[in-house]
Amino acid sequence: DVKVTQSSRYLVKRTGEKVFLECVQDMDHENMFWYRQDPGLGLRLIYFSYDVKMKEKGDIPEGYSVSREKKERFSLILESASTNQTSMYLCASSLITGGEGYGYTFGSGTRLTVV
Amino acid sequence: QKEVEQDPGPLSVPEGAIVSLNCTYSNSAFQYFMWYRQYSRKGPELLMYTYSSGNKEDGRFTAQVDKSSKYISLFIRDSQPSDSATYLCAMSINDMRFGAGTRLTVKP
Repeated sequence: DVKVTQSSRYLVKRTGEKVFLECVQDMDHENMFWYRQDPGLGLRLIYFSYDVKMKEKGDIPEGYSVSREKKERFSLILESASTNQTSMYLCASSLITGGEGYGYTFGSGTRLTVV
Repeated sequence: QKEVEQDPGPLSVPEGAIVSLNCTYSNSAFQYFMWYRQYSRKGPELLMYTYSSGNKEDGRFTAQVDKSSKYISLFIRDSQPSDSATYLCAMSINDMRFGAGTRLTVKP
């Protein structure tokens, strides 16, 4: 069974901390994505990557950065955590960039609370 | 105006009811339309996929796309308590745009 694995289910961090969220996929997918999910706002794209060492800003990149040193791993970094970054973070991967029947495979999410 | 609009509900129905979930969108360039199901404390999983206009049926689920009205629907027949989840519509050209999700509860 193909998988996207997020390293932590729940995290509690303090304001100002540097936070790393890790995501690993075992499907040899080219494309990986980081979303945050908030009630009433749905999924909002933070960053995505089409290939190793490549990254593109999504709709809400401010306060975040990413790293993709290996094809299977995509990390989201909160440079200095703030309370408004308390959210559910979802990692996804896909074979191709558009929908085209493949869709995205999501991880189970990391619920981050910044206090 | 949001690119994809979806009523967040919540929607509560008795077991066996027909459920209708809907989304509207503004970008006529969208070509691929999907529905994802998300159980509590899980990530979304792809449920249905449709290309362009038309209907697609998979068991108790039917997805409809009306591009002229920029309107997509998901119908669930003979709904079951196990269908209780949040349903997200999604559509794409080159990247995926999601609705906010509709929370559905099917009561036994």
